[in-house]
Amino acid sequence: QSVLTQPPSVSAAPGQKVTISCSGSSSNIGSNHVSWYQQLPGTAPKLLIYENNKRPSGIPDRFSASKSGTSATLGITGLQTGDEADYYCGAWDSNLSAGVFGTGTKVTVL
Amino acid sequence: QVQLQESGPRLVKPSETLSLTCTVSGYSISSGYHWGWIRQPPGKGLEWIGIISHSETTYYNPSLKSRSTISVDPSQNQFSLTLSSVTAADTAVYYCARGPRYCSGGSCYTKHFDYWGQGTLVTVSS
Repeated sequence: QSVLTQPPSVSAAPGQKVTISCSGSSSNIGSNHVSWYQQLPGTAPKLLIYENNKRPSGIPDRFSASKSGTSATLGITGLQTGDEADYYCGAWDSNLSAGVFGTGTKVTVL
Repeated sequence: QVQLQESGPRLVKPSETLSLTCTVSGYSISSGYHWGWIRQPPGKGLEWIGIISHSETTYYNPSLKSRSTISVDPSQNQFSLTLSSVTAADTAVYYCARGPRYCSGGSCYTKHFDYWGQGTLVTVSS
């Protein structure tokens, strides 16, 4: 019952770029900040992006994000095999008074 | 270094209550952040369960609100989750996490989680 919609999977060759979309509504992405998480196989999610486009310390600038209206996008450039993971967007939903996550996107490096 | 560690029973019977505790180290739970629970059923995506502030203000996922309670114990630097009347659909990896405090329009909540526990698999089965 995820409120935010992401494509199930994206793929690209090493060194290439991938983008992941996250579609929401006016009550979540449209009026609140978006965050992005990376979940490597068998591990806990890790914060990748917060407040739409800010990277925590230690996150390389190969990871970038933007927001427009009720959608957000995560971009990964210079794709590496270590980037193979599931990626989730998240946001606060003002109508629900709760946080929501996206459906998740699996990134495959060909 | 902020660290979070989930603990509690790994197996819960249907209709009973799931109880988990998150022990926080490297940061005082009373110092102004929000503390939350997130779960992930096997092979599925993340589900936001709820958060609690240092002042014990709580927010819950509407779909779980009637069965969920999050509490905080500053003396032990811990916070807890109870989920009542569990079914097999509650089988999941449960994560605890810390979220920076953000205030807007008279309400304070968290927009994201910056530190996560490693997660613990809780199975609901007889």
